[in-house]
Amino acid sequence: KAGVTQTPRYLIKTRGQQVTLSCSPISGHRSVSWYQQTPGQGLQFLFEYFSETQRNKGNFPGRFSGRQFSNSRSEMNVSTLELGDSALYLCASSLERGGGADTQYFGPGTRLTVL
Amino acid sequence: AQSVTQLGSHVSVSEGALVLLRCNYSSSVPPYLFWYVQYPNQGLQLLLKYTSAATLVKGINGFEAEFKKSETSFHLTKPSAHMSDAAEYSCAVSEGTGGFKTIFGAGTRLFVKA
Repeated sequence: KAGVTQTPRYLIKTRGQQVTLSCSPISGHRSVSWYQQTPGQGLQFLFEYFSETQRNKGNFPGRFSGRQFSNSRSEMNVSTLELGDSALYLCASSLERGGGADTQYFGPGTRLTVL
Repeated sequence: AQSVTQLGSHVSVSEGALVLLRCNYSSSVPPYLFWYVQYPNQGLQLLLKYTSAATLVKGINGFEAEFKKSETSFHLTKPSAHMSDAAEYSCAVSEGTGGFKTIFGAGTRLFVKA
């Protein structure tokens, strides 16, 4: 089975622009979560989608949004980019049989640099 | 609210020595606990997880972790470090309140000296 794929792998944007990141989960996985990884802070939970619905959300401003399509693919959008948004954005998918105990499988990430 | 604290952003051990990476969590309900590892130039992968079965959990590459409810801890250990264990290790907690909301610790970078 193919793993979680994320596109693009690298992005360079300037302040004020917006960006869209894409994630394709493992086939059959219905839950997709997004994380922001910065040095020294570990992974910060952004949001989780299941069956096209956002079920959980982390403590990020409204500039961060996402969606999930009927084929479970997900996109994350960041509007009005700030320098502090520079980070590695990771997507993870799981079967999500219920309860949060399922293993998450992570993609390689998208490295976003904001200049 | 859930939270995870990993003691020590950097840990250095000699090859063959005991590896002990500390993780303490807080959760309002019985948690699910995870250790993930990220090797250089590789993606994040699951090392082991606790889901309320046995309190001593064995993972890949000889690692294990013990869930101690009274101490709210889930420390990761390996009896004998190998050079290939050098990596970033992250502890995470997830509550079963409808889907995933997994909170990660800040991570611990493990260095192994020859």
